[in-house]
Amino acid sequence: SYILTQPPSVSVAPGQTARITCGGKDIGSQSVHWYQQKPGQAPVLVISYNRDRPSGIPERFSGSNSGNTATLTVTWVEAGDEADYYCQVWDSDNDHVIFGGGTKLSVL
Amino acid sequence: EVQLLESGGGLAQPGGSLRLSCVASGFNFNTYAMSWVRQAPGKGLEWVSVIYASGSATSFADSVKGRFTISRETSKNTVFLQMNSLRVDDTAVYYCARDDSGYMDVWGQGTTVTVSS
Repeated sequence: SYILTQPPSVSVAPGQTARITCGGKDIGSQSVHWYQQKPGQAPVLVISYNRDRPSGIPERFSGSNSGNTATLTVTWVEAGDEADYYCQVWDSDNDHVIFGGGTKLSVL
Repeated sequence: EVQLLESGGGLAQPGGSLRLSCVASGFNFNTYAMSWVRQAPGKGLEWVSVIYASGSATSFADSVKGRFTISRETSKNTVFLQMNSLRVDDTAVYYCARDDSGYMDVWGQGTTVTVSS
């Protein structure tokens, strides 16, 4: 089945830009969605369809997708952005939802 | 307010059964697919199952296929996850989520399932 690969962790200083990648074979041809999960809380959708921001998500969150890598970018990182981030696609061949392994964003 | 509220979690023995429920409110339940996603302690998200708006089409992760079933009752705005032949590695927080054309835009708070002897 389709595999999504994320780095286990990304660390940035406050005010800097964090880039979290999600690798998959020809992922650029798919729609990628991103979720933020803070400790003890349910996931929250932060990006849908590669780059669409749901209502209430700050403009600091953006997404891109091309080739074999999708990227979630968080600009002007704040302490409150510290969380686990997951990418997700729909595997239409198997009618399955696929999540990446998750990336822990740490704000130094 | 759009909301999902799960219940039914608890302690089960290996080989036992549990039935999870998820009550939806604040949106037209009949027009959305609904998914279950789980998270084992200290681990990442794992999709479990989806039931489409029609109620007749479903899909399951390979790890639960043949053991879990999913259903929905539109009159009660509720989706169910029947879990049979439970295994220790089914231990997780189970989240109900609204599936909007491939992504999950509304999540419940989760219900905890522990499988242990």
